[in-house]
Amino acid sequence: KQEVTQIPAALSVPEGENLVLNCSFTDSAIYNLQWFRQDPGKGLTSLLLIQSSQREQTSGRLNASLDKSSGRSTLYIAASQPGDSATYLCAVEFSGGGADGLTFGKGTHLIIQP
Amino acid sequence: DAGVTQSPTHLIKTRGQHVTLRCSPISGHKSVSWYQQVLGQGPQFIFQYYEKEERGRGNFPDRFSARQFPNYSSELNVNALLLGDSALYLCASSPGFNQPQHFGDGTRLSIL
Repeated sequence: KQEVTQIPAALSVPEGENLVLNCSFTDSAIYNLQWFRQDPGKGLTSLLLIQSSQREQTSGRLNASLDKSSGRSTLYIAASQPGDSATYLCAVEFSGGGADGLTFGKGTHLIIQP
Repeated sequence: DAGVTQSPTHLIKTRGQHVTLRCSPISGHKSVSWYQQVLGQGPQFIFQYYEKEERGRGNFPDRFSARQFPNYSSELNVNALLLGDSALYLCASSPGFNQPQHFGDGTRLSIL
């Protein structure tokens, strides 16, 4: 069974710190990996998409890396701000063509203390 | 540009009833997917449609069905509702395969 695991489940850090969120997946033959954030009671906001042929993607203060051989991805957030507080979800598309959709982890609940 | 829109935002039903949820994708997006998210969990894949054809189905019972219309909007139907169907139902659209998926704010379904 293809699974996605996110560690830690929750994280609280002071404002200004750099931090890393971890995601692991069971099958190295992935199609792509996407990071999302979800605010309470809201839908998901797409942050970064990494294709299987790529090693990393960057957007502003966010950098996501992908290591298929070890089945891991990390989301690096630089100079964290209170507005970064949210649940961060990692999602893997294990097969192309939409057959299996995205497989999500349970998320990391992040709190940035002012 | 408008994002993915879903209706209704909230819905309360009783066991055994039927429900229809609606989704309008971002303009130009031909792929629509449906997900179910229960509290404290990540979303679970239900269906994906592309160009009005079903391209993928998750591990959900036959009580769940969906369709995509010529304008690429989509409906999710759930029959014989159970208490366990209470969840946030999310719709996502993308231009095509291997593209970022963009989600709506969801429909919160409560079963009494």
